[in-house]
Amino acid sequence: AQKITQTQPGMFVQEKEAVTLDCTYDTSDQSYGLFWYKQPSSGEMIFLIYQGSYDEQNATEGRYSLNFQKARKSANLVISASQLGDSAMYFCAMREGRGGFKTIFGAGTRLFVKA
Amino acid sequence: NAGVTQTPKFRVLKTGQSMTLLCAQDMNHEYMYWYRQDPGMGLRLIHYSVGEGTTAKGEVPDGYNVSRLKKQNFLLGLESAAPSQTSVYFCASSLPGVEHSNQPQHFGDGTRLSIL
Repeated sequence: AQKITQTQPGMFVQEKEAVTLDCTYDTSDQSYGLFWYKQPSSGEMIFLIYQGSYDEQNATEGRYSLNFQKARKSANLVISASQLGDSAMYFCAMREGRGGFKTIFGAGTRLFVKA
Repeated sequence: NAGVTQTPKFRVLKTGQSMTLLCAQDMNHEYMYWYRQDPGMGLRLIHYSVGEGTTAKGEVPDGYNVSRLKKQNFLLGLESAAPSQTSVYFCASSLPGVEHSNQPQHFGDGTRLSIL
């Protein structure tokens, strides 16, 4: 069965420093997609970054990058130059490759950025 | 741009009451999903649909029913509400197919449901 594990319930980072949020996954599919979402205190879900299982290069979107290690089944999110507005809940998610449906989420990591 | 709209936004029910949560999307998405979010457990998939007239069970389907009579609407029903169903419910939609597999889900703003 598919599973997403985020082992860090909470993380603290100093403003302007980089932080890595861990995500490991388990699937028997060869084709799948990995996503990271941000949920600020206002509650909406904001898409950050995507990595496909066949993508050879790590995905990057502005200050966000995804450290994809397929053999280890990990898809860690790296946030560079943290800002106070990065304080939020972060979710890792995996979508099945067959038809692109049935996306499951990890338990999330709450990030606190200190001034 | 409406995107995904959930109604109601808040609701308080008594144990044993029934209710229906409505999700509507205007993006012509084939796939729709219902999740519940509980502290420390992230989002858990309740039911999903890959097209009009089709539904499937997710991770935590017990106590819920769904219907997708129209492509743009996905209804989540609680026939006999229980306190364990107190949660925040999110609806999401996405495009179908491998060619759109890199597209994220679009989420509604959530429905906060309390069962007393």
